[in-house]
Amino acid sequence: GENVEQHPSTLSVQEGDSAVIKCTYSDSASNYFPWYKQELGKGPQLIIDIRSNVGEKKDQRIAVTLNKTAKHFSLHITETQPEDSAVYFCAASKRNDKIIFGKGTRLHILP
Amino acid sequence: DTGVSQDPRHKITKRGQNVTFRCDPISEHNRLYWYRQTLGQGPEFLTYFQNEAQLEKSRLLSDRFSAERPKGSFSTLEIQRTEQGDSAMYLCASSLNLGEQYFGPGTRLTVT
Repeated sequence: GENVEQHPSTLSVQEGDSAVIKCTYSDSASNYFPWYKQELGKGPQLIIDIRSNVGEKKDQRIAVTLNKTAKHFSLHITETQPEDSAVYFCAASKRNDKIIFGKGTRLHILP
Repeated sequence: DTGVSQDPRHKITKRGQNVTFRCDPISEHNRLYWYRQTLGQGPEFLTYFQNEAQLEKSRLLSDRFSAERPKGSFSTLEIQRTEQGDSAMYLCASSLNLGEQYFGPGTRLTVT
């Protein structure tokens, strides 16, 4: 079945530095790749997404890249701030109905 | 607050009891999804509805689980004869057609 691998599972970066989270997916038919941020006691919240006809997308300090050939996609957060501390999930979907999530990356922003 | 609400937020039950959770989606959203999230894992898809029709069910959804969305608005997820392995966060999400899925805060189930 469809599978999404995510790493690292934990990431600590100094405030102001960049953070990178990488994911791979197994189903070549996947065409929608959302990223979610989950804070304690809350449900996941979409922060950015990318579709398979686009290689890169940027929204302020957040950027995502997609390599369809290698089935890799990644999240880049620049100029990290304390409020970026959370668990981040990558995900993949063929039709944006059933979303397959990675296991998550716990991001710690160190003061 | 995404506009998706879930009730209750927490539920503690004894093994063998039945439990029912409710999800109220964003009012104009025609699609509603249920996911399960265990500690340290990402959410896993359980099932989804388009209006009142249940269109797909995961293998994770055993015979003890049933979900309904009778009028195409709120949905309920019932677990019969709960087991300790059912302990998890149950997340509901809604979307307008194939748009962004908005997640609720979840119902945390603990089976003792």
